[in-house]
Amino acid sequence: SQKIEQNSEALNIQEGKTATLTCNYTNYSPAYLQWYRQDPGRGPVFLLLIRENEKEKRKERLKVTFDTTLKQSLFHITASQPADSATYLCALGSGSARQLTFGSGTQLTVLP
Amino acid sequence: EAQVTQNPRYLITVTGKKLTVTCSQNMNHEYMSWYRQDPGLGLRQIYYSMNVEVTDKGDVPEGYKVSRKEKRNFPLILESPSPNQTSLYFCASKAGFGANVLTFGAGSRLTVL
Repeated sequence: SQKIEQNSEALNIQEGKTATLTCNYTNYSPAYLQWYRQDPGRGPVFLLLIRENEKEKRKERLKVTFDTTLKQSLFHITASQPADSATYLCALGSGSARQLTFGSGTQLTVLP
Repeated sequence: EAQVTQNPRYLITVTGKKLTVTCSQNMNHEYMSWYRQDPGLGLRQIYYSMNVEVTDKGDVPEGYKVSRKEKRNFPLILESPSPNQTSLYFCASKAGFGANVLTFGAGSRLTVL
């Protein structure tokens, strides 16, 4: 069955450092991958999308890579700030886009 | 403002008492979906709808019903709630097919005693 694993449930880093979050998947051939941010008591909010034929996408301090051979996506936040503290979810979509399958998320805490 | 609106936001009920969680979107999206979120399990899809009168089961549909009579509304119905349906529920929508972005509601926290 399809499985998505995000590297750890919680990640603490120091302000100013680069946070790297991992999303690994098995038994899946996604057409695209999305990253969402979720704050406590709120719904997830979309951050970035990367398609299977793309290696890297950037948006301001965010960078996503997608390696379909390794079946892995890396999500980087450079120059991290305490305001970046949240849970980050990866989600995989098939070509038909009928369903998005989510990982369980990584809770990031950026320490001042 | 483009948004997905869920009601109620918080609900405590008892086993067996039918309840409906409403979901409405104002973006004219074809696709709508319900998820439940539980600690350690992440977001799991309950049902989704590709358009009016078209609904399909997601990964965890047991104990739930949905309907899509209008494009903007996608209610989630628990005919006979049980304690294992205590969870945080999210409704989401997106524009049609393809890799479009999901817009989520603020969530509905349901407790079944």
